[in-house]
Amino acid sequence: IQMTQSPSSLSASVGDRVTITCQASQAITNYLNWYQQTPGRAPRLLVYHASNLETGVPSRFSGGGSGTQFTFTISGLQPEDFGTYYCQQCESLPYTFGQGTKVEI
Amino acid sequence: QVHLEESGPGLVKPSETLSLTCTVSGASITSHYWSWIRLSPGKGLEWIGYLYYSGVTDYNPSLKSRVTISVDTSKNQFSLNLDSVTAADTAVYYCARLNYVGSLRFDYWGQGTLVTVSS
Repeated sequence: IQMTQSPSSLSASVGDRVTITCQASQAITNYLNWYQQTPGRAPRLLVYHASNLETGVPSRFSGGGSGTQFTFTISGLQPEDFGTYYCQQCESLPYTFGQGTKVEI
Repeated sequence: QVHLEESGPGLVKPSETLSLTCTVSGASITSHYWSWIRLSPGKGLEWIGYLYYSGVTDYNPSLKSRVTISVDTSKNQFSLNLDSVTAADTAVYYCARLNYVGSLRFDYWGQGTLVTVSS
């Protein structure tokens, strides 16, 4: 299953609302996860099963969507939110990731 | 807290075998599935394969002919062997836990280790 993210990069200001979209090449039953990756650090799971916030993740992060179209939103961008965000499907093997969206503050 | 740490050579010669180990602490290797994932400039994030402690494995078809993932339960470790490497295998390699409770997701990752393939 091919995952296509957009945009590939964006620049936003502190406090902005940021939305990233992820399109799957075929319908997936919400086995869709979102990760943040910053240089030199381990990738961090933020949202799983399309809309479930991982424990300890701030509530400004959220996910939604179904079928082939999914969204990830940061409501009130913070300076520590810079990095690259990836969607990933666990619907079927091989597990695949989107190409990433680089968020610059 | 679950912690994963990758270890292994940072430089591998072309045609040789890349070997990495992931040491898990804070959780038993006999719970969940365990995966290797890599990040390269050309391909982004790529799932390599997973293993269950019983020996069940599955690999990405793009790498299947060259990959072996194995487990050492006595050391709470699992390992990656990638044969016949080329420059295209240069990447940051991550180990991660695949949690299957409720849904499937990689919920804990190592910091990653850069492996460069070069003579």
